[in-house]
Amino acid sequence: DIVMTQTPLSSPVTLGQPASISCRSSQSLVHNDGNTYLSWLQQRPGQPPRLLIYKVSNRFSGVPDRFSGSGAGTDFTLKISRVEAEDVGIYYCTQHTQFPHTFGQGTKLEIK
Amino acid sequence: QVQLQESGPGLVKPSETLSLTCTVSGDSIGSSSYYWGWIRQPPGKGLEWIGSIYRSGNTYYNPSLKNRVSISLDTSKNQFSLKVNSVTAADTALYYCARDTPAPRASGNSPYDYWGQGALVTVSS
Repeated sequence: DIVMTQTPLSSPVTLGQPASISCRSSQSLVHNDGNTYLSWLQQRPGQPPRLLIYKVSNRFSGVPDRFSGSGAGTDFTLKISRVEAEDVGIYYCTQHTQFPHTFGQGTKLEIK
Repeated sequence: QVQLQESGPGLVKPSETLSLTCTVSGDSIGSSSYYWGWIRQPPGKGLEWIGSIYRSGNTYYNPSLKNRVSISLDTSKNQFSLKVNSVTAADTALYYCARDTPAPRASGNSPYDYWGQGALVTVSS
């Protein structure tokens, strides 16, 4: 199985400041078809997860452009350019390059 | 707009079978170009992928669940179901159904784009 490791596990951020979460996979997420199937999910308190980013850097419909994804191979990053109060929650990276799909441990974003 | 809704017993006794159903609207699981999946989240913990199924009936499971899991389709009701056998307290979790991976992956469609609200299942005698 591919192990997904996120850092940090907790991130206190000041409103209006940027935030960054890293995700590392135990093996390359490049699929045989040449694509990289790495996504980012946001889970607000008491809510199901919500898709933010797919295929490393594609923002899902309705996701604010302050969210961006980057990376390649085994190292990926989610960035929030200016954190807003509604961004509080837990962020997960996940791979679906191969079965079984796997998730990172989650990074808790909180406001200072 | 695709919607998913989990249903099933909220309390299961140890050693018995957990059964949940996900009812889908807004997409036809019998013709959809997506896998349909189950993900669970123990209280206060992270997400664990359980498995997924395609319209052909092709399934993939998480080996960590050691052959205790099965997922099936009922296209006539536009539902897919989860069974977990021989449950223990470690299976207590919020169980989500979701539209999983697009098929083929390279279609450009997004994975995990629609989720149910989750069903809490507690394993206790």
